[in-house]
Amino acid sequence: IAGITQAPTSQILAAGRRMTLRCTQDMRHNAMYWYRQDLGLGLRLIHYSNTAGTTGKGEVPDGYSVSRANTDDFPLTLASAVPSQTSVYFCASSDEASGGVDEQFFGPGTRLTVL
Amino acid sequence: GQNIDQPTEMTATEGAIVQINCTYQTSGFNGLFWYQQHAGEAPTFLSYNVLDGLEEKGRFSSFLSRSKGYSYLLLKELQMKDSASYLCAVRDGDYKLSFGAGTTVTVRA
Repeated sequence: IAGITQAPTSQILAAGRRMTLRCTQDMRHNAMYWYRQDLGLGLRLIHYSNTAGTTGKGEVPDGYSVSRANTDDFPLTLASAVPSQTSVYFCASSDEASGGVDEQFFGPGTRLTVL
Repeated sequence: GQNIDQPTEMTATEGAIVQINCTYQTSGFNGLFWYQQHAGEAPTFLSYNVLDGLEEKGRFSSFLSRSKGYSYLLLKELQMKDSASYLCAVRDGDYKLSFGAGTTVTVRA
């Protein structure tokens, strides 16, 4: 693994189903993020984690939950999917303790369609 | 919260220069980022400004004026591979990024 990986690449899901999007990074970054990207709206922050064991809500958290059991993994769960959750989901990470630019690195994305 | 505005689309000719403007209103400021995103791919980091002035990185330069809430990304000697979306993002005092909707740049031969 190099950088950030996400799984699945794409998924079609029936409304009401539960779905977990997976995200793993091997850069030992302390901070991780989940965004959704919709046409005309840009990237919007769903949830974030500043360090393992802690999570926080972003701009659009409703209908989503996250956990951060360790440094590397940051799964995003849709408990009961709805069509408005159709989007492209990006996971990102950054090393906020570096004292430098601390730019975020993005995974390849998961394209989710809820019917 | 943040309010970030950038043009939706721009078109330019190969070899030319294009300037993408970004204005923002922020409740806290901890740096401004520009990302490039090709269609169907992940955003990748281009540049970072936290102090006023110009940062140059090869064919790409980024400018920041904190007092005006304004930044621009300058792309010089445009190449076909520069056709992409360019995302302006502001980092707030809590170290969270807010993104503009992105500017799609089309480079024509």
